[in-house]
Amino acid sequence: QVQLVESGGGVVQPGKSLRLSCAGSGFIFNSYAMHWVRQAPGKGLEWVAVIWYDGSNKDYADFVKGRFTISRDNPKNTVYLQMNSLRAEDTAVYYCVREGLDPYFDYWGQGTLVTVSS
Amino acid sequence: EIVLTQSPGTLSLSPGERATLSCRASQRVSSTYLAWYQQRPGQAPRLLIYGTSSRATGIPDRFSGRGSGTDFTLTIDRLEPEDVAGYYCQQYDSSPPWTFGQGTKVEIK
Repeated sequence: QVQLVESGGGVVQPGKSLRLSCAGSGFIFNSYAMHWVRQAPGKGLEWVAVIWYDGSNKDYADFVKGRFTISRDNPKNTVYLQMNSLRAEDTAVYYCVREGLDPYFDYWGQGTLVTVSS
Repeated sequence: EIVLTQSPGTLSLSPGERATLSCRASQRVSSTYLAWYQQRPGQAPRLLIYGTSSRATGIPDRFSGRGSGTDFTLTIDRLEPEDVAGYYCQQYDSSPPWTFGQGTKVEIK
């Protein structure tokens, strides 16, 4: 069965960096685009970033452009989110998500909480 | 960017009743590219409906979607306690960015 397991969340001070990881299993990882979606406490869902199946293309939400970088290591079945210059408003649960046959999100990880606070 | 507006914000119904959730887009969305997600309390979201009306694997037929253009609807028939959740519509017609509605919370009276 498809599984996505995030790790790397925690408490970090404003301006600092954090790297999230997401390990995929139960599917052919290098055949799927992967996304990160976040949810601030008590709020709705926000798309953050996408990386194509082969890593050749990436895109970001405007509010993270220039600060966050998405990458993947297909032999390790892992996608990453490098988050720099973190702000209090980046506090959220970050979900790793697989893109389905059309670009909807067919599988979600359980999420990892990032708290940006001094 | 396409903005999705969901209504109502909260829906409080009795078991067995029908829930009707609305999602309105700021511009036309192809019916091929509209999805709904369910997020139960304390859980990650899961795909319910894609392509406006196709149920995802394992989703009961009490859930149905319809719509076109800028107006889309998710209907939950015969409401059950397990349906207590937040429901989000999403468009992937004009993406990136993929955009979500702000959500509708379904409660059981």
